[in-house]
Amino acid sequence: AQSVTQLDSHVSVSEGTPVLLRCNYSSSYSPSLFWYVQHPNKGLQLLLKYTSAATLVKGINGFEAEFKKSETSFHLTKPSAHMSDAAEYFCVVIGSNYKLTFGKGTLLTVNP
Amino acid sequence: DSGVTQTPKHLITATGQRVTLRCSPRSGDLSVYWYQQSLDQGLQFLIQYYNGEERAKGNILERFSAQQFPDLHSELNLSSLELGDSALYFCASSAIENTQYFGPGTRLTVL
Repeated sequence: AQSVTQLDSHVSVSEGTPVLLRCNYSSSYSPSLFWYVQHPNKGLQLLLKYTSAATLVKGINGFEAEFKKSETSFHLTKPSAHMSDAAEYFCVVIGSNYKLTFGKGTLLTVNP
Repeated sequence: DSGVTQTPKHLITATGQRVTLRCSPRSGDLSVYWYQQSLDQGLQFLIQYYNGEERAKGNILERFSAQQFPDLHSELNLSSLELGDSALYFCASSAIENTQYFGPGTRLTVL
């Protein structure tokens, strides 16, 4: 069985400063990992995905994530936060039956 | 816009009632997934259909059922509704690359 743990339920940053959202995963085989973002009262939007190609994955809106097998981590980063980045972020692992398992989410607040 | 559409956007109903949520996948996607998002349970996988056949089941209650039609749209039926069924219900679709694209969701309120 696979699982993900998002280490912070809430992260608060100032506009223009770096963003780090942490995710650890557990999987019995080489996983496929995703980050999704959910803005208030909106659906889930795919930010980026890792599927065993390059370990550094670039996504939309300047986000990227690095797959580290030795640390079983897939942290999401962005060099400079923008007000529009305020949202909830979900780290997701996909299982052999294509079922997504979601982390509990990290709420990102961006202060002016 | 993901290309996945869901109707209705909002649904308010009473306990004991039955409702149907509808999902149209992205053009060409054969797989449809249903998820429930609630404050206490987070995002939970309910059920998956692939080309009309049930493929995988998650934490779906017996009071809930789904189907996928020949035109690939899907419906999620929720019956004998309880207050605890109030949640956001998302549909997602995917092609063979496994990446799932989510619809905007249906917000169900049971009074």
